[in-house]
Amino acid sequence: AQSVTQLDSQVPVFEEAPVELRCNYSSSVSVYLFWYVQYPNQGLQLLLKYLSGSTLVESINGFEAEFNKSQTSFHLRKPSVHISDTAEYFCAVSDYGQNFVFGPGTRLSVLP
Amino acid sequence: EAGVAQSPRYKIIEKRQSVAFWCNPISGHATLYWYQQILGQGPKLLIQFQNNGVVDDSQLPKDRFSAERLKGVDSTLKIQPAKLEDSAVYLCASSLDFYTLTEAFFGQGTRLTVV
Repeated sequence: AQSVTQLDSQVPVFEEAPVELRCNYSSSVSVYLFWYVQYPNQGLQLLLKYLSGSTLVESINGFEAEFNKSQTSFHLRKPSVHISDTAEYFCAVSDYGQNFVFGPGTRLSVLP
Repeated sequence: EAGVAQSPRYKIIEKRQSVAFWCNPISGHATLYWYQQILGQGPKLLIQFQNNGVVDDSQLPKDRFSAERLKGVDSTLKIQPAKLEDSAVYLCASSLDFYTLTEAFFGQGTRLTVV
């Protein structure tokens, strides 16, 4: 069975500062990894995903995540955050696209 | 393309009452998921369908929760009777199918408050 750990429940950061949201997973099989974002009162939206190929994946709004198999991590980074990035971020793992297991989430608060 | 549709958006009921949520997945998506998201926590899978068959319902409290997807398209999740701890957002998601590498697409959820 898979599991996902997001060690930071809340991350406050000033606008234009860099940020890293950590995600570690455990699984006995090969997995696919996802970051979802949830803005207030909205549903979950896919931010980026790793299925295969390059271990560095990017989103259209400047986020990136790197799959590190040896460290079983998939940390999310952004070099310069905006107020609009304030949201809850969930890391998820899926075994071959079957059930998706989510971490507890990290609340990113971008301060002016 | 239309997204995952859920209704109602909000529901308030008293404990011991029953409630039902409806979900219509993205057209052509064979896999449908129901998740429970308690405030401050990540979504927890309740049940997963592939077409009209159940793939995984190991975390569904079957004494009070039931779900069906009779024609392999839309789905209903029911709680009967509801308890205070069932207060949560119930999320429906769909993906292309069980065997294709893809992500899950989520609806906006139904926020249930049990008083």
